[in-house]
Amino acid sequence: AQSVTQPDIHITVSEGASLELRCNYSYGATPYLFWYVQSPGQGLQLLLKYFSGDTLVQGIKGFEAEFKRSQSSFNLRKPSVHWSDAAEYFCAVDGDSNYQLIWGAGTKLIIKP
Amino acid sequence: ETGVTQSPTHLIKTRGQQVTLRCSSQSGHNTVSWYQQALGQGPQFIFQYYREEENGRGNFPPRFSGLQFPNYSSELNVNALELDDSALYLCASSSSGPDTDTQYFGPGTRLTVL
Repeated sequence: AQSVTQPDIHITVSEGASLELRCNYSYGATPYLFWYVQSPGQGLQLLLKYFSGDTLVQGIKGFEAEFKRSQSSFNLRKPSVHWSDAAEYFCAVDGDSNYQLIWGAGTKLIIKP
Repeated sequence: ETGVTQSPTHLIKTRGQQVTLRCSSQSGHNTVSWYQQALGQGPQFIFQYYREEENGRGNFPPRFSGLQFPNYSSELNVNALELDDSALYLCASSSSGPDTDTQYFGPGTRLTVL
């Protein structure tokens, strides 16, 4: 069965520091991979997605993610976080290409001033 | 602004009651998926509708049902509400498969079952 693991429930980062959020998935083949962000009271916004090709994917708001097949990982990175990045981040996979996504439990990002 | 709207924003029901949640997709989006997001957890896939037919279902009992209409709106119905049904319910729409389009999420309906 497909599954997604986000091992960090909370991460605290100082404003201006770099960020990496971890995501590991379990699936027989290479699924489609997504990162979403959810701010309080708002819907889920797509940051980036990986389908195939270049394993380093650029997204919105300065985020990028790298797909590593050997590690079944799709970690999200940002070189310098801003206070407005404080939110909850979700990794999701779509193994059957039908948008029936399987989600991780999320990582809450806290920004220290 | 995704163009996907949901109503109502918040809802309080009592155990055993029935509830209908509504979603209005972007024009031209013929696929809608519904998710349940319990507090502190990631969303869980409930079911998906494509061109008014159910096109996949997650691990949810039959008392969760849905409808999709030709005007790009859809409904999620939950019968015999249980306390554990308290959650944020999200709908998401897209116009085609994930390799050609993005799935857009609405802001959700917060359901509280007392």
